[in-house]
Amino acid sequence: QKEVEQDPGPLSVPEGAIVSLNCTYSNSAFQYFMWYRQYSRKGPELLMYTYSSGNKEDGRFTAQVDKSSKYISLFIRDSQPSDSATYLCAMNLNYQLIWGAGTKLIIKP
Amino acid sequence: NAGVTQTPKFRILKIGQSMTLQCAQDMNHNYMYWYRQDPGMGLKLIYYSVGAGITDKGEVPNGYNVSRSTTEDFPLRLELAAPSQTSVYFCASSSKGTGVATNEKLFFGSGTQLSVL
Repeated sequence: QKEVEQDPGPLSVPEGAIVSLNCTYSNSAFQYFMWYRQYSRKGPELLMYTYSSGNKEDGRFTAQVDKSSKYISLFIRDSQPSDSATYLCAMNLNYQLIWGAGTKLIIKP
Repeated sequence: NAGVTQTPKFRILKIGQSMTLQCAQDMNHNYMYWYRQDPGMGLKLIYYSVGAGITDKGEVPNGYNVSRSTTEDFPLRLELAAPSQTSVYFCASSSKGTGVATNEKLFFGSGTQLSVL
Protein backbone atom coordinates (compact mmCIF):
# COMPACT_ATOMS: atom_id res chain seq x y z
CA GLN A 1 0.00 0.00 0.00
CA LYS A 2 1.32 3.44 -0.96
CA GLU A 3 1.71 5.97 1.84
CA VAL A 4 -0.30 8.52 -0.14
CA GLU A 5 -3.05 7.50 -2.55
CA GLN A 6 -4.44 9.84 -5.20
CA ASP A 7 -6.71 9.02 -8.13
CA PRO A 8 -4.78 9.92 -11.33
CA GLY A 9 -7.95 10.79 -13.28
CA PRO A 10 -8.36 12.44 -15.67
CA LEU A 11 -11.23 14.33 -14.13
CA SER A 12 -13.17 16.32 -16.74
CA VAL A 13 -15.76 18.90 -15.66
CA PRO A 14 -17.53 21.85 -17.34
CA GLU A 15 -16.43 25.41 -16.69
CA GLY A 16 -18.04 26.86 -13.58
CA ALA A 17 -18.39 23.52 -11.79
CA ILE A 18 -17.17 22.85 -8.25
CA VAL A 19 -14.22 20.46 -8.32
CA SER A 20 -13.22 18.12 -5.51
CA LEU A 21 -9.76 16.57 -5.51
CA ASN A 22 -8.76 14.09 -2.80
CA CYS A 23 -5.89 12.16 -1.24
CA THR A 24 -5.83 9.48 1.41
CA TYR A 25 -2.81 8.59 3.50
CA SER A 26 -1.74 5.89 5.91
CA ASN A 27 0.85 7.53 8.20
CA SER A 28 -0.69 9.41 11.12
CA ALA A 29 2.65 11.22 11.71
CA PHE A 30 2.07 13.57 8.76
CA GLN A 31 1.46 17.10 10.02
CA TYR A 32 1.66 19.49 7.08
CA PHE A 33 -0.43 18.89 3.98
CA MET A 34 0.21 20.65 0.73
CA TRP A 35 -1.36 20.98 -2.70
CA TYR A 36 0.85 21.70 -5.69
CA ARG A 37 -0.39 22.54 -9.17
CA GLN A 38 1.57 21.39 -12.21
CA TYR A 39 0.91 22.68 -15.70
CA SER A 40 1.98 20.58 -18.68
CA ARG A 41 5.77 20.53 -19.17
CA LYS A 42 6.31 22.68 -16.07
CA GLY A 43 7.47 22.05 -12.53
CA PRO A 44 4.96 21.90 -9.66
CA GLU A 45 4.14 25.12 -7.81
CA LEU A 46 2.71 25.40 -4.32
CA LEU A 47 -0.99 26.21 -4.30
CA MET A 48 -1.97 25.82 -0.65
CA TYR A 49 -0.90 24.20 2.58
CA THR A 50 -2.70 23.32 5.80
CA TYR A 51 -1.45 22.24 9.20
CA SER A 52 -3.24 19.49 11.11
CA SER A 53 -7.02 19.30 10.74
CA GLY A 54 -9.44 21.91 9.50
CA ASN A 55 -10.11 24.12 6.50
CA LYS A 56 -8.14 26.83 4.77
CA GLU A 57 -9.54 29.12 2.11
CA ASP A 58 -7.74 31.19 -0.53
CA GLY A 59 -9.97 32.79 -3.12
CA ARG A 60 -11.67 30.04 -5.14
CA PHE A 61 -9.64 27.32 -3.44
CA THR A 62 -10.36 25.53 -0.15
CA ALA A 63 -8.09 22.91 1.39
CA GLN A 64 -9.56 20.55 3.96
CA VAL A 65 -7.85 18.04 6.24
CA ASP A 66 -9.57 15.27 8.20
CA LYS A 67 -6.86 13.58 10.26
CA SER A 68 -9.30 11.15 11.89
CA SER A 69 -10.10 9.72 8.45
CA LYS A 70 -6.60 10.34 7.02
CA TYR A 71 -8.17 12.21 4.13
CA ILE A 72 -7.42 15.57 2.53
CA SER A 73 -9.36 17.49 -0.10
CA LEU A 74 -8.94 20.47 -2.39
CA PHE A 75 -12.09 22.21 -3.59
CA ILE A 76 -12.12 24.60 -6.53
CA ARG A 77 -15.17 26.83 -6.92
CA ASP A 78 -16.22 28.43 -10.22
CA SER A 79 -13.65 26.36 -12.09
CA GLN A 80 -11.94 27.99 -15.09
CA PRO A 81 -10.18 26.51 -18.15
CA SER A 82 -6.95 27.96 -16.69
CA ASP A 83 -7.38 25.56 -13.74
CA SER A 84 -6.69 22.65 -16.12
CA ALA A 85 -3.54 21.07 -14.70
CA THR A 86 -2.34 18.16 -12.61
CA TYR A 87 -2.85 18.61 -8.87
CA LEU A 88 -0.45 16.84 -6.54
CA CYS A 89 -0.90 16.42 -2.82
CA ALA A 90 2.18 16.22 -0.61
CA MET A 91 2.80 15.61 3.07
CA ASN A 92 6.00 16.05 5.02
CA LEU A 93 7.72 13.48 7.18
CA ASN A 94 11.20 13.97 8.60
CA TYR A 95 13.37 15.61 5.94
CA GLN A 96 11.29 14.94 2.86
CA LEU A 97 7.93 15.26 1.22
CA ILE A 98 5.79 12.23 0.36
CA TRP A 99 3.84 12.86 -2.83
CA GLY A 100 0.62 11.59 -4.31
CA ALA A 101 0.65 10.53 -7.96
CA GLY A 102 -1.33 13.61 -9.01
CA THR A 103 -4.83 14.04 -10.47
CA LYS A 104 -5.14 15.43 -13.99
CA LEU A 105 -7.98 17.97 -14.10
CA ILE A 106 -9.59 19.16 -17.35
CA ILE A 107 -12.01 22.09 -17.31
CA LYS A 108 -14.09 22.18 -20.50
CA PRO A 109 -15.15 25.67 -21.75
CA ASN B 1 13.81 36.60 -11.78
CA ALA B 2 15.12 33.26 -13.10
CA GLY B 3 14.39 31.09 -10.00
CA VAL B 4 15.48 27.50 -10.67
CA THR B 5 16.97 26.81 -14.10
CA GLN B 6 17.44 23.31 -15.49
CA THR B 7 19.31 22.26 -18.62
CA PRO B 8 18.83 20.52 -20.96
CA LYS B 9 15.04 20.35 -21.39
CA PHE B 10 15.17 17.13 -23.41
CA ARG B 11 17.80 14.45 -23.93
CA ILE B 12 17.98 10.99 -25.48
CA LEU B 13 20.74 8.70 -24.25
CA LYS B 14 21.88 5.28 -25.33
CA ILE B 15 22.24 2.56 -22.72
CA GLY B 16 25.57 2.89 -20.94
CA GLN B 17 26.15 6.55 -21.79
CA SER B 18 26.75 9.18 -19.13
CA MET B 19 25.43 12.67 -18.73
CA THR B 20 25.03 15.50 -16.25
CA LEU B 21 21.77 17.31 -15.65
CA GLN B 22 22.43 20.90 -14.67
CA CYS B 23 20.51 22.87 -12.04
CA ALA B 24 21.11 26.41 -10.86
CA GLN B 25 19.13 28.70 -8.55
CA ASP B 26 19.52 32.42 -7.93
CA MET B 27 17.51 32.72 -4.71
CA ASN B 28 20.42 31.98 -2.35
CA HIS B 29 18.59 28.89 -1.06
CA ASN B 30 20.52 26.47 1.12
CA TYR B 31 18.39 23.42 0.34
CA MET B 32 18.32 21.83 -3.08
CA TYR B 33 16.67 18.61 -4.27
CA TRP B 34 16.55 16.27 -7.24
CA TYR B 35 13.30 14.43 -7.95
CA ARG B 36 12.18 12.09 -10.68
CA GLN B 37 8.59 11.89 -11.87
CA ASP B 38 7.26 8.78 -13.58
CA PRO B 39 3.73 8.41 -15.03
CA GLY B 40 1.22 7.38 -12.37
CA MET B 41 3.79 7.76 -9.60
CA GLY B 42 4.46 10.53 -7.15
CA LEU B 43 7.66 12.53 -7.18
CA LYS B 44 10.54 10.46 -5.81
CA LEU B 45 13.49 12.12 -4.08
CA ILE B 46 16.86 11.10 -5.55
CA TYR B 47 19.34 13.28 -3.63
CA TYR B 48 19.22 16.44 -1.62
CA SER B 49 21.66 18.99 -0.25
CA VAL B 50 21.44 21.20 2.83
CA GLY B 51 24.27 23.50 1.75
CA ALA B 52 27.48 23.72 -0.24
CA GLY B 53 29.60 20.61 0.30
CA ILE B 54 26.81 18.60 1.97
CA THR B 55 24.69 16.05 0.13
CA ASP B 56 22.64 13.03 1.14
CA LYS B 57 20.65 10.22 -0.44
CA GLY B 58 16.93 10.31 -0.88
CA GLU B 59 14.53 7.49 -1.60
CA VAL B 60 15.90 6.36 -5.01
CA PRO B 61 19.65 7.25 -5.26
CA ASN B 62 20.96 4.16 -7.09
CA GLY B 63 22.51 4.99 -10.47
CA TYR B 64 22.95 8.68 -9.69
CA ASN B 65 25.55 10.96 -8.13
CA VAL B 66 25.51 14.61 -7.08
CA SER B 67 27.89 17.31 -5.95
CA ARG B 68 27.34 20.75 -4.42
CA SER B 69 30.42 22.94 -4.70
CA THR B 70 28.50 26.24 -4.61
CA THR B 71 25.21 27.43 -3.14
CA GLU B 72 23.84 28.08 -6.62
CA ASP B 73 24.56 24.82 -8.47
CA PHE B 74 23.48 21.22 -7.87
CA PRO B 75 24.27 18.96 -10.86
CA LEU B 76 22.97 15.38 -11.11
CA ARG B 77 25.22 12.81 -12.76
CA LEU B 78 24.06 9.60 -14.48
CA GLU B 79 27.09 7.35 -14.97
CA LEU B 80 25.78 4.31 -16.87
CA ALA B 81 22.36 5.13 -18.24
CA ALA B 82 19.74 2.38 -18.07
CA PRO B 83 16.19 2.25 -19.51
CA SER B 84 14.83 2.38 -15.94
CA GLN B 85 16.20 5.94 -15.72
CA THR B 86 13.82 7.15 -18.42
CA SER B 87 11.85 9.80 -16.56
CA VAL B 88 11.26 13.51 -16.06
CA TYR B 89 13.78 14.99 -13.64
CA PHE B 90 13.01 18.04 -11.51
CA CYS B 91 15.39 20.13 -9.50
CA ALA B 92 13.95 22.16 -6.62
CA SER B 93 15.19 24.51 -3.95
CA SER B 94 13.97 25.97 -0.66
CA SER B 95 15.32 28.35 1.95
CA LYS B 96 14.70 25.86 4.77
CA GLY B 97 14.29 22.09 4.77
CA THR B 98 11.02 20.20 4.30
CA GLY B 99 11.03 18.87 7.86
CA VAL B 100 8.13 17.84 10.02
CA ALA B 101 7.88 21.20 11.78
CA THR B 102 7.91 23.39 8.69
CA ASN B 103 5.64 24.06 5.76
CA GLU B 104 8.47 25.01 3.51
CA LYS B 105 7.65 25.89 -0.10
CA LEU B 106 9.67 24.21 -2.82
CA PHE B 107 10.58 26.12 -5.97
CA PHE B 108 10.86 23.83 -8.98
CA GLY B 109 12.61 24.09 -12.31
CA SER B 110 10.80 23.21 -15.54
CA GLY B 111 12.28 19.74 -15.71
CA THR B 112 14.47 17.61 -17.97
CA GLN B 113 12.77 14.88 -19.99
CA LEU B 114 15.25 12.01 -20.37
CA SER B 115 14.84 8.92 -22.51
CA VAL B 116 17.31 6.03 -22.36
CA LEU B 117 17.11 3.73 -25.36
